[in-house]
Amino acid sequence: QQQVKQSPQSLIVQKGGISIINCAYENTAFDYFPWYQQFPGKGPALLIAIRPDVSEKKEGRFTISFNKSAKQFSLHIMDSQPGDSATYFCAASIETGANNLFFGTGTRLTVIP
Amino acid sequence: DTEVTQTPKHLVMGMTNKKSLKCEQHMGHRAMYWYKQKAKKPPELMFVYSYEKLSINESVPSRFSPECPNSSLLNLHLHALQPEDSALYLCASSQDRGTINIQYFGAGTRLSVL
Repeated sequence: QQQVKQSPQSLIVQKGGISIINCAYENTAFDYFPWYQQFPGKGPALLIAIRPDVSEKKEGRFTISFNKSAKQFSLHIMDSQPGDSATYFCAASIETGANNLFFGTGTRLTVIP
Repeated sequence: DTEVTQTPKHLVMGMTNKKSLKCEQHMGHRAMYWYKQKAKKPPELMFVYSYEKLSINESVPSRFSPECPNSSLLNLHLHALQPEDSALYLCASSQDRGTINIQYFGAGTRLSVL
């Protein structure tokens, strides 16, 4: 079954707007939550990651919000740019496990000028 | 340098062919991974090597055969593939298993099976 659920499947945002992608998980053993960005024809690249001991992490225009009690986390892209148009995958893994990444289903973001 | 290099970038093969995909990293990482990614889907884990030993095989058909000749190289040998095996094959590496660490992905090999 899908260990990490992601929504929406696709997202269209105006340039300068805020893009929000949401993920939810069930396994409380997960303790590392990365977001990957993938451009067409390329492999996924780590964008930003968070551990559950903090509720928010910000790097430039990208912010992860984490709600441990709700088992949800989200990616916010501020001042979205056309160059941000890509597919975004959330993921989760367990530190003491095999370091397998459980990916969400992906969100295709399109930022229109 | 956080680069994982995969060759070839594209591969077309018939169902009776034998071919190999190659992956290389020089980051000193001791865990390496093969993923399969279909269009508009997330990567699916196939194999994990840790310290050059196969540690995870996610019930992958035997027509896919991984090999880790040394700590920097990872191969995926392909034989008698089916058209449904057409996909983007991604290699990744990370520092080690069992600790939180970043997986770095290559650009992938786009495989088409005719």
